[in-house]
Amino acid sequence: DIQMTQSPSSLSASVGDRVIISCRASQNINSYLNWYQQKSGKAPRFLILSASTLQNGVPSRFSGGGSGTEFTLTINNVQLEDDGFYFCQQGHSTPITFGQGTRLDIK
Amino acid sequence: QVQLQESGPGLVRPSETLSLTCNVSGGPISPYYWSWIRQFPGKGLEWIGYIYFSGSTNYNPSLKSRVTFSIDRSSNQFSLKLHSVTAADTAVYYCVRGPKYSWNAYDSWGQGFPVTVSS
Repeated sequence: DIQMTQSPSSLSASVGDRVIISCRASQNINSYLNWYQQKSGKAPRFLILSASTLQNGVPSRFSGGGSGTEFTLTINNVQLEDDGFYFCQQGHSTPITFGQGTRLDIK
Repeated sequence: QVQLQESGPGLVRPSETLSLTCNVSGGPISPYYWSWIRQFPGKGLEWIGYIYFSGSTNYNPSLKSRVTFSIDRSSNQFSLKLHSVTAADTAVYYCVRGPKYSWNAYDSWGQGFPVTVSS
């Protein structure tokens, strides 16, 4: 199985900050990397497809990058509503696997 | 916009079978892959597998010996059966769908259905 490792596991930011969450794959997954946001008690929301393709309705302050084994999710000018749990998911091969998640708190 | 809704018993006894159904509304069953994903109390996520609209399946090897998927195109539903459950199967179970023809991304999620395994 492909192991996905996210860092940090949690972070705190202030409104207007830039936040970067990292995701590392245990082997080359090309650009088959997706990002999700989850609010407390809610289902995940699909943010980014294939490392960098922003989904419809996702604010442009979100962006994704990377390829191979190293990926990032960047949130520029972070807003209060961005608090939540973020996780990456590899779509290179089955079994599909997820990062352990990053908890983002907005001060 | 497609909507997915999980249903089933929220409490299952150890060694018994967990059965969940996902009702799909607002969109067709084909030509999509339909997946089950579960989230453990500590937030970790596990992919259980997918079933294609044609009926072909792909299960997580860690669960393959205990899981069965089925799909009913006439009723716009698909189902999960997980046999011989233990407390480790306690989780929120999500039915999910990806973009058309895509098995490896998930843009539509059910609200999630909590299942507790306990006697």
